Amino acid sequence: EVQLVQSGPEVKKPGESLKISCKASGYRFTTYWIGWVRQKPGKGLEWMGIIFPGDSDTRYSPSFQGQVTISVDRSTSTAYLQWSSLKASDTAIYYCARQAYTSGVSLKHWGQGALVTVSS
Amino acid sequence: DIQLTQSPSSLSASVGDRVTITCQATQDISVYLNWYQQKPGKAPKLLIYDASNLETGVPSRFSGSGSGTDFTFTISSLQPEDIATYYCQQYDNLLLTFGGGTKVEIK
Repeated sequence: EVQLVQSGPEVKKPGESLKISCKASGYRFTTYWIGWVRQKPGKGLEWMGIIFPGDSDTRYSPSFQGQVTISVDRSTSTAYLQWSSLKASDTAIYYCARQAYTSGVSLKHWGQGALVTVSS
Repeated sequence: DIQLTQSPSSLSASVGDRVTITCQATQDISVYLNWYQQKPGKAPKLLIYDASNLETGVPSRFSGSGSGTDFTFTISSLQPEDIATYYCQQYDNLLLTFGGGTKVEIK
């Protein structure tokens, strides 16, 4: 069974750094793209970026380019999303999601979401 | 980058009604359009991929159609458990975009 298990909720202050994780299991980690999606409270879904664990090829939404970094650790089958300097506007739920099939980019398998709260 | 305009943003319908949601892309995306359902407090769930393919295990009352710039998502007979927000999502050269969402409620 494919599973994506995300790290727990975080409470941070503006300016702090953060790295959240998404641990994959139940499939060959290097074979499928993994994406990150933001959802601000009461708002819609925003695609942030996507990474191919096989070679770390990464694409970012123009809205998030330079604002976050997406990476993977193939030894632990874990994808990461990190910020170097958080803002209050980064408060949101962050989901990781895996490509459904090896062709196309539909996101079938989702993590449970990680709530990040940034407040002074 | 490609934008998706989803309409309506919300709708209210009776159980058994046919519900239709549209999604328009700002440029031709062929059939690279997916549909998701999100219930409150839950992660999104993939319903339709590549415009018209029903994901495994998804009830057949859900369907999708379209190509190019205009797409339609239909619930043929609305059920109480279909109360959720629905999103379209496109992918073009590994750059994705979501539509703004359609909140479906029971009248």
